[in-house]
Amino acid sequence: ETGVTQTPRHLVMGMTNKKSLKCEQHLGHNAMYWYKQSAKKPLELMFVYNFKEQTENNSVPSRFSPECPNSSHLFLHLHTLQPEDSALYLCASSQDRLAGADTQYFGPGTRLTVL
Amino acid sequence: GDSVTQMEGPVTLSEEAFLTINCTYTATGYPSLFWYVQYPGEGLQLLLKATKADDKGSNKGFEATYRKETTSFHLEKGSVQVSDSAVYFCALSESGTYKYIFGTGTRLKVLA
Repeated sequence: ETGVTQTPRHLVMGMTNKKSLKCEQHLGHNAMYWYKQSAKKPLELMFVYNFKEQTENNSVPSRFSPECPNSSHLFLHLHTLQPEDSALYLCASSQDRLAGADTQYFGPGTRLTVL
Repeated sequence: GDSVTQMEGPVTLSEEAFLTINCTYTATGYPSLFWYVQYPGEGLQLLLKATKADDKGSNKGFEATYRKETTSFHLEKGSVQVSDSAVYFCALSESGTYKYIFGTGTRLKVLA
């Protein structure tokens, strides 16, 4: 596969469930990102990893827990979510965030519904 | 803080019409500016970018010029096609930071 892939594409979970979102990039990039996309709101940057180190946590609630085991994989662990967490979760990667005006490459997203 | 403001949608045009989607920004430094496009069921993909004042980004017939004096980066296309129907996002990125700031997106619908 090429580019950025995300699994699953759709997820429905109850508020007491624990689930994980997976992102994989095949571009040789060093930086990876999680975004939340909700209707009529700007994309919200959640987390940034650069060379596997978390460099940004945008005041995200602790019920979202990221994990970056290597520069090709990024996970978002979910537990005890709220209905307002229902959204499209997008993963992106870029060459190296310190290099300046990086282009970001996005995956297709995971559509999450919390019941 | 930094922000991006783009025009509310949806924008509905007939095929071959001229397109303008307005985008203005506020930034403390000298950001790079981007337009991303999102087709149904897909993630965002870069359409064009400009890294300094007066630069013009262009791709697939779309153009945008980085105007520092008006803090704007308006997207234009001379003749839209049905296949251009998508959501368009304006964004900025400050070098030396990890942040990308996106606008709310403008949905474009082109009718045959």
